[in-house]
Amino acid sequence: GENVEQHPSTLSVQEGDSAVIKCTYSDSASNYFPWYKQELGKRPQLIIDIRSNVGEKKDQRIAVTLNKTAKHFSLHITETQPEDSAVYFCAASGSGGGADGLTFGKGTHLIIQP
Amino acid sequence: DAEITQSPRHKITETGRQVTLACHQTWNHNNMFWYRQDLGHGLRLIHYSYGVQDTNKGEVSDGYSVSRSNTEDLPLTLESAASSQTSVYFCASSTHNRDTQYFGPGTRLTVL
Repeated sequence: GENVEQHPSTLSVQEGDSAVIKCTYSDSASNYFPWYKQELGKRPQLIIDIRSNVGEKKDQRIAVTLNKTAKHFSLHITETQPEDSAVYFCAASGSGGGADGLTFGKGTHLIIQP
Repeated sequence: DAEITQSPRHKITETGRQVTLACHQTWNHNNMFWYRQDLGHGLRLIHYSYGVQDTNKGEVSDGYSVSRSNTEDLPLTLESAASSQTSVYFCASSTHNRDTQYFGPGTRLTVL
């Protein structure tokens, strides 16, 4: 089955700096890669996603890049703000897209230092 | 507004008891999923369903079962609860032609 590795497990950055979280996946048939943000005690919320036919996607301060050859994808957050503090999860689908269920990384605790 | 709900939000039970967690969505989504979340493991897929009468096993399905008798509901049953099943359980749903999964608020289950 699919295996998703996520690094780092904890990331501390100064407010206003950029943050990068990286994930690798094992199944070359995976074709959908979402990123979720989870605040303490809350449900995971989708923040951005990318499909395998796209190399990069951007939404305001958030961007995701995908390298299919190397089987890795990354989340980039620019101009970080205190409200960006949360746990971020990457995930990968099976060949059926999100309908097959998602395999998640173990999460990155992002801490924004004032 | 359409939404996805879970009940109960918190449950304490004893080892060996049968427990059922409810998941209900009003989006008319075909696909529904159950995940468990544990520290150090992220979220792991338990079972999923593409529609009525369809169920499929996920990565960690042992000790769990689901049934899909209508579009709106996918209850998760622990046949004989074990302490290793203490976790936070999330239900999610998606449409048949879109990948995005929307999560419910979660159920915190403690097995003593």
